[in-house]
Amino acid sequence: DGGITQSPKYLFRKEGQNVTLSCEQNLNHDAMYWYRQDPGQGLRLIYYSQIVNDFQKGDIAEGYSVSREKKESFPLTVTSAQKNPTAFYLCASSPRWMNTEAFFGQGTRLTVV
Amino acid sequence: AQSVSQHNHHVILSEAASLELGCNYSYGGTVNLFWYVQYPGQHLQLLLKYFSGDPLVKGIKGFEAEFIKSKFSFNLRKPSVQWSDTAEYFCAVNARAGGSYIPTFGRGTSLIVHP
Repeated sequence: DGGITQSPKYLFRKEGQNVTLSCEQNLNHDAMYWYRQDPGQGLRLIYYSQIVNDFQKGDIAEGYSVSREKKESFPLTVTSAQKNPTAFYLCASSPRWMNTEAFFGQGTRLTVV
Repeated sequence: AQSVSQHNHHVILSEAASLELGCNYSYGGTVNLFWYVQYPGQHLQLLLKYFSGDPLVKGIKGFEAEFIKSKFSFNLRKPSVQWSDTAEYFCAVNARAGGSYIPTFGRGTSLIVHP
């Protein structure tokens, strides 16, 4: 089955700790994205990557970091610098040069305790 | 920069009522438009999309949307909703970025359908 896998589904973090969210895709897509979803605010772009070893900041990148060492993987680290990290995080992918729809994972719900 | 506005943030309907969710976008060039749906506990998925041609687009589960270029709108409609349509609905446009396309979303509309 082709798709995007995010893990874990639920994550709890203590204040001051960094945490890494996993995103893996087997769709052979070049482009991958991380969004944050908060009630009433829709999906806001954190980071995106159009090709391996390259990534760009989105609208709300502060307090987050990413890497893109493999085409299939685009992990997101929520650092202690992120002031309000509790949210639902969605990973997506799409073909790079095609103006078409994105495909999404199931999401990770992060709660800071 | 491209942006998307959704006018209705919360909509509550009874089964069999008609639905229309508003979406406006800001972009001067060629635009491709999307509606995504997020059912409770499920991943975000494509409902329908407009690229070119007939401005009336039909999607899954009886949904349709009309692209009106003069109004910069792409409203979602369904003549008769069902309880199973309860979900979050997002309008989106692909923003150009260095030859690639970055999905840009509206704030979403939460639809609750009462049986």
